[in-house]
Amino acid sequence: GAGVSQSPRYKVTKRGQDVALRCDPISGHVSLYWYRQALGQGPEFLTYFNYEAQQDKSGLPNDRFSAERPEGSISTLTIQRTEQRDSAMYRCASSLVTRGQGRGNTIYFGEGSWLTVV
Amino acid sequence: AQKVTQAQTEISVVEKEDVTLDCVYETRDTTYYLFWYKQPPSGELVFLIRRNSFDEQNEISGRYSWNFQKSTSSFNFTITASQVVDSAVYFCALKGVGTYKYIFGTGTRLKVLA
Repeated sequence: GAGVSQSPRYKVTKRGQDVALRCDPISGHVSLYWYRQALGQGPEFLTYFNYEAQQDKSGLPNDRFSAERPEGSISTLTIQRTEQRDSAMYRCASSLVTRGQGRGNTIYFGEGSWLTVV
Repeated sequence: AQKVTQAQTEISVVEKEDVTLDCVYETRDTTYYLFWYKQPPSGELVFLIRRNSFDEQNEISGRYSWNFQKSTSSFNFTITASQVVDSAVYFCALKGVGTYKYIFGTGTRLKVLA
């Protein structure tokens, strides 16, 4: 697609429910990132994929958070047993190519998914 | 550790004024990359500029200009003749060698008043 597409744009869920957030990166982009942005803060790294391989998940806050990208394109971020502190904007970003982690390619963000846990 | 500091939380200017947004970074890498992104009220994050650490030439794009100074670890962003449409939150970001992570500052909210 023309840009990074995320769905749903807005999600309200009850505490304890599981949620799945979807990201469709720019066509041909092999690198995919998930970030979380709390109100009034900057984006914080969650996890990184190179094709289908999850190469860094050090930013996932706990084991309720997981992400996958099984075919190297669309990615899903899943939060199990949601808590109110999980409320935030979840952003997906992609970049064209990486030649190793040293490259500083520009990452392009989607519009984000607003998650509210009540 | 890598860090980006945007000390200005919020700036208000009157339309047509010039305004500079500060960004100070910390990294031990000798090669790194710096970015600015704009977050308008609609919420998306829009890429503005990317700069390599080995290229200290300043850049101008229309009313936007960027001043990269390695000696002070700063990558400041100036908007000349600001307009109401420039109202947004602006984020500075850093990526070093040896990590996949892009580190963002906390952002500066710019309000341009008509």
